[in-house]
Amino acid sequence: AQKVTQAQTEISVVEKEDVTLDCVYETRDTTYYLFWYKQPPSGELVFLIRRNSFDEQNEISGRYSWNFQKSTSSFNFTITASQVVDSAVYFCALSEASRDDKIIFGKGTRLHILP
Amino acid sequence: DAGVIQSPRHEVTEMGQEVTLRCKPISGHDYLFWYRQTMMRGLELLIYFNNNVPIDDSGMPEDRFSAKMPNASFSTLKIQPSEPRDSAVYFCASSSLGTSGTDTQYFGPGTRLTVL
Repeated sequence: AQKVTQAQTEISVVEKEDVTLDCVYETRDTTYYLFWYKQPPSGELVFLIRRNSFDEQNEISGRYSWNFQKSTSSFNFTITASQVVDSAVYFCALSEASRDDKIIFGKGTRLHILP
Repeated sequence: DAGVIQSPRHEVTEMGQEVTLRCKPISGHDYLFWYRQTMMRGLELLIYFNNNVPIDDSGMPEDRFSAKMPNASFSTLKIQPSEPRDSAVYFCASSSLGTSGTDTQYFGPGTRLTVL
C-alpha cells in the first residue's frame, strides 16, 4: 500500500533553533518520487523539493536540507536556524510511476516558530 | 510567468445550490489536478486530466461532483447540489510531462468553499 507518515502532528521551537520534520513512506515501486510542500498561514501550497528514488544524495538549499535514506524509507526535512516565517504546515508526499504518478500526501506537520 | 489561477478565492453558498470552481493551469502544462483539503481527511486527489482528458476520477466523492476541461487553459469543478460536508478548500494544480513521469505539481491558491 502507498502511504506517507508524518508522525509529528505539531512542533514548536524557539527562533534560531534547528528543527527536523520526519517523513516515512511505504512503497513497493522501485521508481518513485518524494516531495515536500509548505503551506503557510495564507493557505497556498508551495513546492519545496522533488527527489526521485534513484538519487539518494542529500540536498541543501539555504537553511533547508533534506535527508533521503532508502534503507529506512525516510525523507526528513531540516530547517537550520529557524525563523518565524518558517511557521507553516509542511507536507511530505509520494508518487509512484506505477500509479500514474498520483501524489499521496501525508497529514502534514504544523510547525510553530516562536519569537 | 503566471502560476495556477483559481477563482473564486472564497465562495459561500447555501445547501442545495450549484457551485462552480474554476482553474487556469500554467501555460504549457498538460496535466491538471483537482484536490480537496479538509481537517479530517487532509489533502485528497479528486480527479486529474492529461491533455484535457480525464484520466482518473476515482477520488470524486459522489455523482454530485463533476469536472471538465474543455481546453488546455481552463477547467471547472462543479458541485450540484452542494451540501455542508462539501465545505473545504479546493486546490487546482498543474504539471508537465517530465523525462521520467509527470513533473512537479504546482498549486493554485485554492478556493475556500463554505456551504451553509
